[in-house]
Amino acid sequence: AQKVTQAQTEISVVEKEDVTLDCVYETRDTTYYLFWYKQPPSGELVFLIRRNSFDEQNEISGRYSWNFQKSTSSFNFTITASQVVDSAVYFCALSEAGYTGANSKLTFGKGITLSVRP
Amino acid sequence: DTGVSQNPRHKITKRGQNVTFRCDPISEHNRLYWYRQTLGQGPEFLTYFQNEAQLEKSRLLSDRFSAERPKGSFSTLEIQRTEQGDSAMYLCASSLQGTNTGELFFGEGSRLTVL
Repeated sequence: AQKVTQAQTEISVVEKEDVTLDCVYETRDTTYYLFWYKQPPSGELVFLIRRNSFDEQNEISGRYSWNFQKSTSSFNFTITASQVVDSAVYFCALSEAGYTGANSKLTFGKGITLSVRP
Repeated sequence: DTGVSQNPRHKITKRGQNVTFRCDPISEHNRLYWYRQTLGQGPEFLTYFQNEAQLEKSRLLSDRFSAERPKGSFSTLEIQRTEQGDSAMYLCASSLQGTNTGELFFGEGSRLTVL
């Protein structure tokens, strides 16, 4: 069975600090996909990134970067120079490739509440 | 592109009543998903449609739950004989088959409170 663990529940930082959100996953599949979603106070989940299991290359997008390590089954997310607008709940998620498509069913972690103080 | 729309946004009902939620996906998206999110938890998959066909259902979807997507456009999620444990945020998402990003576009959710 698939499982996503986000051991951190709440993180509070001061603006401009760097912060890393951890994600550890379990799956028996050799082909799978990993995601990060952001849920601001408005409630709407916003897609941030998808990674497939064959691509361990780290990715950087502006202040956001992701570190995927299959050896430790981790897909960590770092925000550099955090801003108040980054305050939200962040979810890591996993899906199997499956015959119905890569994005047919996501297993989410419990989420990490990030608070960025001015 | 108006995004995924869900109605009603909030519903308060008494135990035993039936409720129905509606989801209007992004117009060109042929895949539609329902998830449920309780307080302090991540969303849990309920069911998934490709066009009008319901391709997957979670074991979380008891017999009291039924979802439809009759013409492959909007979808409804009905809960019969509601129980207090059904109180949650019901999230709808849509996507386009064949896209490479795997991105699901979520609506703002329909919050159900069962008294």
